[in-house]
Amino acid sequence: DVKVTQSSRYLVKRTGEKVFLECVQDMDHENMFWYRQDPGLGLRLIYFSYDVKMKEKGDIPEGYSVSREKKERFSLILESASTNQTSMYLCASSSSPHRQGKKSPLHFGNGTRLTVT
Amino acid sequence: DQQVKQNSPSLSVQEGRISILNCDYTNSMFDYFLWYKKYPAEGPTFLISISSIKDKNEDGRFTVFLNKSAKHLSLHIVPSQPGDSAVYFCAASPIIQGAQKLVFGQGTRLTINP
Repeated sequence: DVKVTQSSRYLVKRTGEKVFLECVQDMDHENMFWYRQDPGLGLRLIYFSYDVKMKEKGDIPEGYSVSREKKERFSLILESASTNQTSMYLCASSSSPHRQGKKSPLHFGNGTRLTVT
Repeated sequence: DQQVKQNSPSLSVQEGRISILNCDYTNSMFDYFLWYKKYPAEGPTFLISISSIKDKNEDGRFTVFLNKSAKHLSLHIVPSQPGDSAVYFCAASPIIQGAQKLVFGQGTRLTINP
């Protein structure tokens, strides 16, 4: 069974702090993703990575950066936390599409609820 | 610009009856659609998917229907059970190589009443 582990369930940080959210998956998946979930907005993609040291911007990358130094680990970094980054952050992973185009679903971690005061 | 829309924020259904959750999309480049279920304090879990070459996919009590001309999909749960109470997210994947980028709807909170 795929396991995606996010290091913290709850975090409280102050405005201007640098914040690191860590995510580890144990299924040797190529792809990893960071989403944030907000009421009425669903899940929005921040960044994703399809290989070690590779990263791509999602729909709302502003104010965030990511790091993928090892295949199993994908970190989300808030360079200078702001109150509008208070949210639930969800990490996910998936394997690459099969050659015939079969796509595999995302497997999510349990989320990190970040509050910025 | 919301490319995947779930227009009903909440739905209440009696136990044993059918639950129907709806989802509309605007991007004709989407070719793969999924439903996820989310309990409080947990991450979303994959429920069922459908490729654009099909119009129906069934898995036990869950059936997903796709109407490409209307750009509409729906999830049917029958019979509904109390454990089905959760937030349901519709998601769609565009035709791209490599990593799949899913676009999610806003979610519908389903409550099953005993």
